[in-house]
Amino acid sequence: GESVGLHLPTLSVQEGDNSIINCAYSNSASDYFIWYKQESGKGPQFIIDIRSNMDKRQGQRVTVLLNKTVKHLSLQIAATQPGDSAVYFCAENLRDSSYKLIFGSGTRLLVRP
Amino acid sequence: GAVVSQHPSWVICKSGTSVKIECRSLDFQATTMFWYRQFPKQSLMLMATSNEGSKATYEQGVEKDKFLINHASLTLSTLTVTSAHPEDSSFYICSAMPQGPRYTFGSGTRLTVV
Repeated sequence: GESVGLHLPTLSVQEGDNSIINCAYSNSASDYFIWYKQESGKGPQFIIDIRSNMDKRQGQRVTVLLNKTVKHLSLQIAATQPGDSAVYFCAENLRDSSYKLIFGSGTRLLVRP
Repeated sequence: GAVVSQHPSWVICKSGTSVKIECRSLDFQATTMFWYRQFPKQSLMLMATSNEGSKATYEQGVEKDKFLINHASLTLSTLTVTSAHPEDSSFYICSAMPQGPRYTFGSGTRLTVV
């Protein structure tokens, strides 16, 4: 199930199940979105990205959905594995020349064996 | 693939001293790099945009005299935490864009000020 921790909400799933991680972004002018995976003590690792002219993009075992109407992103992980346990962040890039990448609050994914 | 190297990976310093963190793009040139700070169990907060050959652009609330950024070459940006105090203890991460808007991140630097 999903619970809200002190800072990071946590999603706990059984190994082999599908995971859905949600993210609300803040700026309607953002036109590029990225999902990152971060393991403890490491920098963010790119998972998948999507541009605002798309509403769905699939990768290997991962799918990103974008709903611009409600400014919502989701990351779906199929057949979740123990190695997927990490913190997941969505990030948005503003449609300007700054190339700034702004991160969402993050979700911790715990995979139960 | 594009690699961003960050050094050191961890550092402990005494309160009042300064610490320099390096961020290098190993196989590409980066006119722009970004510095983030991350506190435990929190997200990455953008501190500043580092621009090669010009002054860095700081985010609101980030003290530019406290966090000095130098981007003197196309492959190196440095962040110096001046007169560090325990509240500056954090995980500092840099990033760069090897191609288009796709970003590559360093492995981070854990700073502990005692």
